[in-house]
Amino acid sequence: SQQGEEDPQALSIQEGENATMNCSYKTSINNLQWYRQNSGRGLVHLILIRSNEREKHSGRLRVTLDTSKKSSSLLITASRAADTASYFCATDLTLSANSKLTFGKGITLSVRP
Amino acid sequence: EAQVTQNPRYLITVTGKKLTVTCSQNMNHEYMSWYRQDPGLGLRQIYYSMNVEVTDKGDVPEGYKVSRKEKRNFPLILESPSPNQTSLYFCASSRPGLAGLNEQFFGPGTRLTVL
Repeated sequence: SQQGEEDPQALSIQEGENATMNCSYKTSINNLQWYRQNSGRGLVHLILIRSNEREKHSGRLRVTLDTSKKSSSLLITASRAADTASYFCATDLTLSANSKLTFGKGITLSVRP
Repeated sequence: EAQVTQNPRYLITVTGKKLTVTCSQNMNHEYMSWYRQDPGLGLRQIYYSMNVEVTDKGDVPEGYKVSRKEKRNFPLILESPSPNQTSLYFCASSRPGLAGLNEQFFGPGTRLTVL
C-alpha cells in the first residue's frame, strides 16, 4: 500500500546545527503530517501541511511540501539534545477507501550535546 | 487535560488467552484508530472507527476485533493471541476535517508480549 518513505533513516548532528529530514510518497494526498516519538512513547503531532500549501512554520520547525515531486521536508533549526527522537511522516491519501494516515518507517535523529 | 489513555501499559500473556486492551479519549473525537508498531515496519493501522457503531479494517486486521459502543471508548480485542501479535500498540483519536484527517492524538502505548 502507499507509504511515506523518510530519508535518511538515521541522522546524527551536533547541537546547534540544523536537521533536515525528507519524506516521499506515491499518490495524491489531502495532507501530510509530521510526528515525533521519544523512545517507546506515544507519537506527538508536530505539524500538518495541506496539499494546497507549500510551506508552514511552527517555532523551530519548517515544513515544505512539493506536490509535483510528491515530497516533503522537515527542517529543525538550531537543534537541541532534547530533539533526539524518531520522526515520522504520515500521508492522508486522496480518494482512499480507508480513512487513515499511512506512516513511514521513521527517521532516528540523534543530537549530540 | 485532553488525553488518550490505554490500559494496560504492559502485558505478558500466553498463546490463546483472550485479552482486551482498552482505549479511552476525553476530547469528544469522532475518529479513533488502533496501530501496531514493529521494528523496521513503522506504524500499521489495525482498525479504525469513524463514529459510534462504525468500524472498519485497516491494513493488518487479522486476529483482532474492535467495538465502538460509546464515543469515548475503542477497545482492541485479541480473541486468541499468538506470538506474532507481540508488538507495541497505540490508540489514537482525532476530529475528521473537511479535507482529510486532522492531527492524531496518541495514547502512551501498550507493550504486549505473547508467549
